[in-house]
Amino acid sequence: DAKTTQPNSMESNEEEPVHLPCNHSTISGTDYIHWYRQLPSQGPEYVIHGLTSNVNNRMASLAIAEDRKSSTLILHRATLRDAAVYYCILRDGSGAGSYQLTFGKGTKLSVIP
Amino acid sequence: EAQVTQNPRYLITVTGKKLTVTCSQNMNHEYMSWYRQDPGLGLRQIYYSMNVEVTDKGDVPEGYKVSRKEKRNFPLILESPSPNQTSLYFCASSFVAASTDTQYFGPGTRLTVL
Repeated sequence: DAKTTQPNSMESNEEEPVHLPCNHSTISGTDYIHWYRQLPSQGPEYVIHGLTSNVNNRMASLAIAEDRKSSTLILHRATLRDAAVYYCILRDGSGAGSYQLTFGKGTKLSVIP
Repeated sequence: EAQVTQNPRYLITVTGKKLTVTCSQNMNHEYMSWYRQDPGLGLRQIYYSMNVEVTDKGDVPEGYKVSRKEKRNFPLILESPSPNQTSLYFCASSFVAASTDTQYFGPGTRLTVL
């Protein structure tokens, strides 16, 4: 399976934008890029996903490099509630496999008031 | 409210005493799965189910059983729990088994096996 690399931790000031990077140099043409986050003492929750084009939703934006070997999750104004572990996950879109989410270690985001 | 529920949320038991962790979703999802989360190892899939009566092993199925008799329920069964099954367990579901589909997670069950 294609793997992802994320920084272990990042800090942000409240109400500032946050850019969370993810490298996935071995991504295949059918892999979708998903982001989930896990708030303290909760189950993971979906944030956003994309294939080639940049994506926006109410929670965040996803910027995907032209060669798709990296992507960046953008939180436009960090709040204290955004403090969580953020996981960048590749999911095979070819139709094979168990459709599981393969979680790495993720990036622990701390938000400073 | 659309949700995945798990019971119990916390459980302390002893080695060898059979237990069941229930998982239920109210979103009419076809795909359901179980994960365990351990420090340093992240979340790993135990079993999954593509639909009623269709289940398959994930990455770490040893020591676990599952069943899917109804669409909404996907219980995790530990027939003879051992201390190495002490972990945080999450149930998840999605509308279909598709790589673009969102998975919804339950709140977790923290299991301690003494």
